[in-house]
Amino acid sequence: GENVEQHPSTLSVQEGDSAVIKCTYSDSASNYFPWYKQELGKRPQLIIDIRSNVGEKKDQRIAVTLNKTAKHFSLHITETQPEDSAVYFCAANAIKIIFGKGTRLHILP
Amino acid sequence: DGGITQSPKYLFRKEGQNVTLSCEQNLNHDAMYWYRQDPGQGLRLIYYSQIVNDFQKGDIAEGYSVSREKKESFPLTVTSAQKNPTAFYLCASSIAQGPTDTQYFGPGTRLTVL
Repeated sequence: GENVEQHPSTLSVQEGDSAVIKCTYSDSASNYFPWYKQELGKRPQLIIDIRSNVGEKKDQRIAVTLNKTAKHFSLHITETQPEDSAVYFCAANAIKIIFGKGTRLHILP
Repeated sequence: DGGITQSPKYLFRKEGQNVTLSCEQNLNHDAMYWYRQDPGQGLRLIYYSQIVNDFQKGDIAEGYSVSREKKESFPLTVTSAQKNPTAFYLCASSIAQGPTDTQYFGPGTRLTVL
């Protein structure tokens, strides 16, 4: 069946450095790719999304890139801050949305 | 996402009991969803509903039931047939169930079976 693979499962970066989380998807009909941030015990919140007619989208320190040929998309966070520590989920939506298993991001002081 | 509420925040249940989790939204969204989240796992879809009086099974529907009598409400019942119900349950909604419709999540209910 359709699948979204997300890597790494855990990521630790020094405060101020960049973090990159990568996802691949299997359903070539997918055309919407949201990213969610979930803090401990809280709800997932949409932080950025990209549609298949766009290769890259940026919002302040966050950017997402999409390679439809490779069925691959990535989240980039620059100048990381302590409040970026959370679990991040990617997702791909065709007929239904499929989520990756999440990446736990730790920002080290 | 502030327009989606779930209650209660924490719920304790004895084995063999059914329990119902509430989900309400005032966003005028047509589509609603229930997910289960376990530690280290992603979000697994239990049930979803595109319109009132209609719903479909997701990937892990066994041991769960839902109803959609009103557009604003999509309660989830965890039945005694669910073998491992302890988890964090998230409700979500979207304008429709189109392929580019963003889902917005409620604050979740943490269910613990004693």
